[in-house]
Amino acid sequence: RKEVEQDPGPFNVPEGATVAFNCTYSNSASQSFFWYRQDCRKEPKLLMSVYSSGNEDGRFTAQLNRASQYISLLIRDSKLSDSATYLCVVIRGGGSYIPTFGRGTSLIVHP
Amino acid sequence: NAGVTQTPKFQVLKTGQSMTLQCAQDMNHNSMYWYRQDPGMGLRLIYYSASEGTTDKGEVPNGYNVSRLNKREFSLRLESAAPSQTSVYFCASSLGDGGREKLFFGSGTQLSVL
Repeated sequence: RKEVEQDPGPFNVPEGATVAFNCTYSNSASQSFFWYRQDCRKEPKLLMSVYSSGNEDGRFTAQLNRASQYISLLIRDSKLSDSATYLCVVIRGGGSYIPTFGRGTSLIVHP
Repeated sequence: NAGVTQTPKFQVLKTGQSMTLQCAQDMNHNSMYWYRQDPGMGLRLIYYSASEGTTDKGEVPNGYNVSRLNKREFSLRLESAAPSQTSVYFCASSLGDGGREKLFFGSGTQLSVL
């Protein structure tokens, strides 16, 4: 089982839709969680960190469920410009602090 | 502010040739990383350097070597390139302060090995 797993999609949604992605992780010692966005094989860029209590940034909401070992990203009122690949990143604890990426979930927002 | 600078952007090699990918950051970051990205595989860690003077293997280190030349620079070397090393390579850096900080990426190197 991969350490970080994501549904590759693609998720194909109309503008204005709400869409949610999940990401599961296998290492219970994982301590930090992030969502990155990647456009067309360009470099990944941080979208948002994921905090234990859940956090929101405009149309984006991230949540962490430690008991079930998954994180989620909710996008409300989807825009055409949201079309991208969303990468889940998990950082192990225990001193090594190695960032591990999921394979990414592709989102296509159409008019 | 340059951030993470990665060179070259594109490279074509013949099987068996060698090359070095260069990476430099100007953010005084402690940790630096080399990833490769293949279609459908996500980013996989090749090597990382948690701090100046240290390097460690990641998930897919075979066929690669690295050098942390100083705090700013972290290079990746392919001694004898193979077609399986055709990929997009990303260098990244982070502050290295307990694993809670974000990664900054270079713009990537598209490498083709014929």
